[in-house]
Amino acid sequence: NAGVMQNPRHLVRRRGQEARLRCSPMKGHSHVYWYRQLPEEGLKFMVYLQKENIIDESGMPKERFSAEFPKEGPSILRIQQVVRGDSAAYFCASSPPVTGAKNIQYFGAGTRLSVL
Amino acid sequence: TQLLEQSPQFLSIQEGENLTVYCNSSSVFSSLQWYRQEPGEGPVLLVTVVTGGEVKKLKRLTFQFGDARKDSSLHITAAQPGDTGLYLCAGARIYNQGGKLIFGQGTELSVKP
Repeated sequence: NAGVMQNPRHLVRRRGQEARLRCSPMKGHSHVYWYRQLPEEGLKFMVYLQKENIIDESGMPKERFSAEFPKEGPSILRIQQVVRGDSAAYFCASSPPVTGAKNIQYFGAGTRLSVL
Repeated sequence: TQLLEQSPQFLSIQEGENLTVYCNSSSVFSSLQWYRQEPGEGPVLLVTVVTGGEVKKLKRLTFQFGDARKDSSLHITAAQPGDTGLYLCAGARIYNQGGKLIFGQGTELSVKP
């Protein structure tokens, strides 16, 4: 079984450009989560999606950031007009439908975004 | 507001020593997970604890979930250089509905030969 696949692994953008990060969940997983890890900080939740639905976007910055998980294809995290402060590692996680108290999330290797 | 306080943040020990990492909160979690992260990689799941008072063992690693489901600990016996890495605790607060994980700040462990 392939794990959570993220691409690209590294992305370099100049200020003002757009960044598109892709995530393919594990087979059979219908829940996708995006987290951001800034240097010297822990992982911070950004958004939780199911197919064609945004369930919780409470961690998303109000402007320039958007996410989708279409019926077909990977989940996309899109950052418009990037600024230097967007430089971080962005991780995607996926989980199967949650049953009981467990909420087990499996993480991809991440996309390291560098904004010049 | 940091809902999960993890300590210590940094730990440097010699091979063969024992260590404990703590994860504390004033909030109740439906489950708590421990991850290990290597540089340049994503977090890898080590264990999930669900029941208050639960203890799980993974070779030399022992994980405990507090009775009130507000805190957890990770104990490593006879640490080895291969244990070096970033250890993260993460709690889930919404029962049976999925949802975000709340992460501690992490413990950077270095085990010297």
